[in-house]
Amino acid sequence: EDQVTQSPEALRLQEGESSSLNCSYTVSGLRGLFWYRQDPGKGPEFLFTLYSAGEEKEKERLKATLTKKESFLHITAPKPEDSATYLCAVQVLYGGSQGNLIFGKGTKLSVKP
Amino acid sequence: DSGVTQTPKHLITATGQRVTLRCSPRSGDLSVYWYQQSLDQGLQFLIQYYNGEERAKGNILERFSAQQFPDLHSELNLSSLELGDSALYFCASSGTSGNTIYFGEGSWLTVV
Repeated sequence: EDQVTQSPEALRLQEGESSSLNCSYTVSGLRGLFWYRQDPGKGPEFLFTLYSAGEEKEKERLKATLTKKESFLHITAPKPEDSATYLCAVQVLYGGSQGNLIFGKGTKLSVKP
Repeated sequence: DSGVTQTPKHLITATGQRVTLRCSPRSGDLSVYWYQQSLDQGLQFLIQYYNGEERAKGNILERFSAQQFPDLHSELNLSSLELGDSALYFCASSGTSGNTIYFGEGSWLTVV
């Protein structure tokens, strides 16, 4: 069964304290791995799509990396405005949900000033 | 602003009733997806349409149905509503490649 697991469930950081969020996945065939940011009561905001092991993408203080079994979202010198829930999703190649996203439950990040 | 528009933003209705949620995709996007987000289940894929045709189906209940119209907007119909159907319903859209999937702000459904 295709599955996505994110850890930790919650993470509290001080402003400027860098850290990483983990997304591990088990899929029959990976088309792409997506990262989203979600603020409370809002829709997920697209951040990155990664396609192959070794690929990296950056946006401001965020960098996403991908291996064959997991992805990391690195947050460098975070600011309070980076506080949000970060969602990881895999886009599968096969099966009834082909092409669609299977989401993890997210990591809730809080950055204190 | 993702460019995906959903209405209504909030909806309160009684058990047993029927509601329709509407979605306008980003300009030029042919694919529309519907997802349900509840506190305990996270984001769950319901159904996808591509240029008017159903393309994939996820964990969508038989009481729920959807369609995509010639102008590419989509509607999600929820009937015989139960308390457990209370959730955020998101629409998303993508182009042909599906490499970027953008979400709307959601429709918050409360069943009382």
